[in-house]
Amino acid sequence: NAGVTQTPKFQVLKTGQSMTLQCAQDMNHEYMSWYRQDPGMGLRLIHYSVGAGITDQGEVPNGYNVSRSTTEDFPLRLLSAAPSQTSVYFCASSYNEGAAYEQYFGPGTRLTVT
Amino acid sequence: KQEVTQIPAALSVPEGENLVLNCSFTDSAIYNLQWFRQDPGKGLTSLLLIQSSQREQTSGRLNASLDKSSGRSTLYIAASQPGDSATYLCAVTQTGANNLFFGTGTRLTVIP
Repeated sequence: NAGVTQTPKFQVLKTGQSMTLQCAQDMNHEYMSWYRQDPGMGLRLIHYSVGAGITDQGEVPNGYNVSRSTTEDFPLRLLSAAPSQTSVYFCASSYNEGAAYEQYFGPGTRLTVT
Repeated sequence: KQEVTQIPAALSVPEGENLVLNCSFTDSAIYNLQWFRQDPGKGLTSLLLIQSSQREQTSGRLNASLDKSSGRSTLYIAASQPGDSATYLCAVTQTGANNLFFGTGTRLTVIP
């Protein structure tokens, strides 16, 4: 079991560029989510999905897009990168829908936007 | 909006000492509370999950308690070891919500 995997580990973008952060899990989890972690702030929810084909916005969704075509994958797209999106991004999954179950986190993607 | 606070932000203790990390939250309508460990440059690892109906959970040298009515949780680490050095985060799931609300963490250093 690889658990939750994220690629890339590091990325540098120029303002205005777009990119996709990849997240995959092999635990057959229904619930997947994306968080960003900034210094001095707790992790904040960007988007989440309760199953294939179903996504919803979290606390800080602006500038990000998601889709969930399979149970395993939940990519996060940055449409036009801005310096304010410099952060560490974590993907998480859990067994059942909702955040009420033990969450498994990926290793993170450190993104810098210049 | 739910707010989660962890005090202190950093803690340094000698090896072998017992210690307590604190977490408080403003809205007591929670479904559960989780404690996580985060090593530098790494993801989060779930340590303990306490349902709102429970008072405590134990795993090895770790014991977490929950007092929902007062909005507090503590993580007790017994006989600390250098390998316990990490940042410890608490997070609550609010009733009816689909996300975790995180504190900013306590950075623990255990000195050999």
